[in-house]
Amino acid sequence: GAVVSQHPSWVICKSGTSVKIECRSLDFQATTMFWYRQFPKQSLMLMATSNEGSKATYEQGVEKDKFLINHASLTLSTLTVTSAHPEDSSFYICSARHGRGLQETQYFGPGTRLLVL
Amino acid sequence: GDSVTQMEGPVTLSEEAFLTINCTYTATGYPSLFWYVQYPGEGLQLLLKATKADDKGSNKGFEATYRKETTSFHLEKGSVQVSDSAVYFCALTTNAGKSTFGDGTTLTVKP
Repeated sequence: GAVVSQHPSWVICKSGTSVKIECRSLDFQATTMFWYRQFPKQSLMLMATSNEGSKATYEQGVEKDKFLINHASLTLSTLTVTSAHPEDSSFYICSARHGRGLQETQYFGPGTRLLVL
Repeated sequence: GDSVTQMEGPVTLSEEAFLTINCTYTATGYPSLFWYVQYPGEGLQLLLKATKADDKGSNKGFEATYRKETTSFHLEKGSVQVSDSAVYFCALTTNAGKSTFGDGTTLTVKP
């Protein structure tokens, strides 16, 4: 199946710094990618939809100036957590949309665990 | 709005037992239905999917049938293994491309 990678897989940073997370579709082009946040033992919470060549669409309650998304190419989307604070510590997962219509499927990256001290 | 309701966990089974994880949904139109599996510390992996009513998705011994009349997509496996221990998510994607996930069901299989 289609492969999506994320980098880094683990990051520990000091409060107030910014952290960039990359999401790449390795063997297909993805005009649409998604960014999720997952708290321990909970489901995925959609943060934003990233569209290549245009601004991301953020879900209600997600601060767009806090979580900057750039979909620079058909295989790369980045999420930057700006001025990170301990409450931003979480597991961030991206996915990329593959296929069209009934064959459309999301393929997920392995996730990035962020710990803000 | 759209929603996915999964059987609450955790579910604990002995090896070779039969597994059922219930999933029901509400959505407008005709969504595609998915089961994803998440192993500890990892992202989600697509387990199986079904795109229209009466379709059966299957993979690695797991099966689920898209039942439009009962709006269900229950996951089943005839004989579970310890390696099946993970969190299982039921999800739907609408024709507009919007996805909704269930809360996840933790499965633990004991030897």
